[in-house]
Amino acid sequence: QKEVEQNSGPLSVPEGAIASLNCTYSDRGSQSFFWYRQYSGKSPELIMSIYSNGDKEDGRFTAQLNKASQYVSLLIRDSQPSDSATYLCAVNTRLLNAGNNRKLIWGLGTSLAVNP
Amino acid sequence: EAGVAQSPRYKIIEKRQSVAFWCNPISGHATLYWYQQILGQGPKLLIQFQNNGVVDDSQLPKDRFSAERLKGVDSTLKIQPAKLEDSAVYLCASSFSGGAGYGYTFGSGTRLTVV
Repeated sequence: QKEVEQNSGPLSVPEGAIASLNCTYSDRGSQSFFWYRQYSGKSPELIMSIYSNGDKEDGRFTAQLNKASQYVSLLIRDSQPSDSATYLCAVNTRLLNAGNNRKLIWGLGTSLAVNP
Repeated sequence: EAGVAQSPRYKIIEKRQSVAFWCNPISGHATLYWYQQILGQGPKLLIQFQNNGVVDDSQLPKDRFSAERLKGVDSTLKIQPAKLEDSAVYLCASSFSGGAGYGYTFGSGTRLTVV
């Protein structure tokens, strides 16, 4: 099992719909979870972080975390064509580096296409 | 605040040549990361600095890649000699701390093409 898994997509939704992006992780001790958006040819941009079970809302974005089931999801309400991008899930695991910091493990990303 | 600065934006070199990338992190960010992102894949961590010390270089191909952050601020990543499979985007990122709770800010990246 990969440490962080995402469906590669593409996920295609009509404009105005809710886009649901999912991410599962293998390390039960993970504490911090991040969603990054990456437009084609651009760098990843942090859009959401979540640390405790439940929902966290920011504008049209809602991150949902369920540590018991080891998944984190991102909902995008009222999807717009400008939301078309690759969404990367990143998880801080219990793996430690030499500096005693937790390692951030990345998923491969889910491609989202919002159709006008 | 100013973002993470990287240069150059694009580089094309022949295999076996050398190349260097530069990164200046956000002011006050102690942690600096170099990532390699191959098209269609997630970022792969090459090296992580905490101030001017290396805390993770487990995935850095040390026979050809090197990086330094001598004064704990800006950093350079070098490839010598380059191989075709090094063609990728090289991303620099910084964070306030290397701890569990901080997201990263990425620079615009350097797109390297090895021919």
